[in-house]
Amino acid sequence: EDKVVQSPLSLVVHEGDTVTLNCSYEVTNFRSLLWYKQEKKAPTFLFMLTSSGIEKKSGRLSSILDKKELSSILNITATQTGDSAIYLCAVGSNFGNEKLTFGTGTRLTIIP
Amino acid sequence: NAGVTQTPKFRILKIGQSMTLQCTQDMNHNYMYWYRQDPGMGLKLIYYSVGAGITDKGEVPNGYNVSRSTTEDFPLRLELAAPSQTSVYFCASSYSGQTFNQPQHFGDGTRLSIL
Repeated sequence: EDKVVQSPLSLVVHEGDTVTLNCSYEVTNFRSLLWYKQEKKAPTFLFMLTSSGIEKKSGRLSSILDKKELSSILNITATQTGDSAIYLCAVGSNFGNEKLTFGTGTRLTIIP
Repeated sequence: NAGVTQTPKFRILKIGQSMTLQCTQDMNHNYMYWYRQDPGMGLKLIYYSVGAGITDKGEVPNGYNVSRSTTEDFPLRLELAAPSQTSVYFCASSYSGQTFNQPQHFGDGTRLSIL
């Protein structure tokens, strides 16, 4: 059974701090790893990492895929209160058909 | 551009009642999905569709039904609601089903309580 594990489950930091969120996976026929940010409503897409694109950066957010360690990290520098959210990791795999397996998420709280 | 729109946003049902959760997308995406999100759990796939007239079961399909008569709409039907179906339901869509190619885009969710 495919599995995606995120850590920590929750994290509280002060504004301006740097945080690192972790995602590890065990899936059959890995295709991609996606990061989503979920505030009160819809998960919104942040990054997609694949074998051909193992590093992505957008502003203060960056992510790296380590295919050898079967894991990924999401870094957020100079955190702001607007970064408070649940960060979801999802792994795409193909075993007969394409599917996404989601982790349980990391709840990040930024204290002003 | 509205993206993926779900209605209603909230609903309380009594045990044994039935209802339909609506989902529509205006991005001309071929693939549509229904997930449920329970506290402390990852999103679980209920059903998905690869195009109008074609649907298939996901990981947790029991107690649900779907149909896809148009590209835009993908309603989820709950028959004989049970407390175990209390959850937040998300509809998503993507242009292709290839997870390495196109991210899925999500609606705002429907929070459903069965009492």
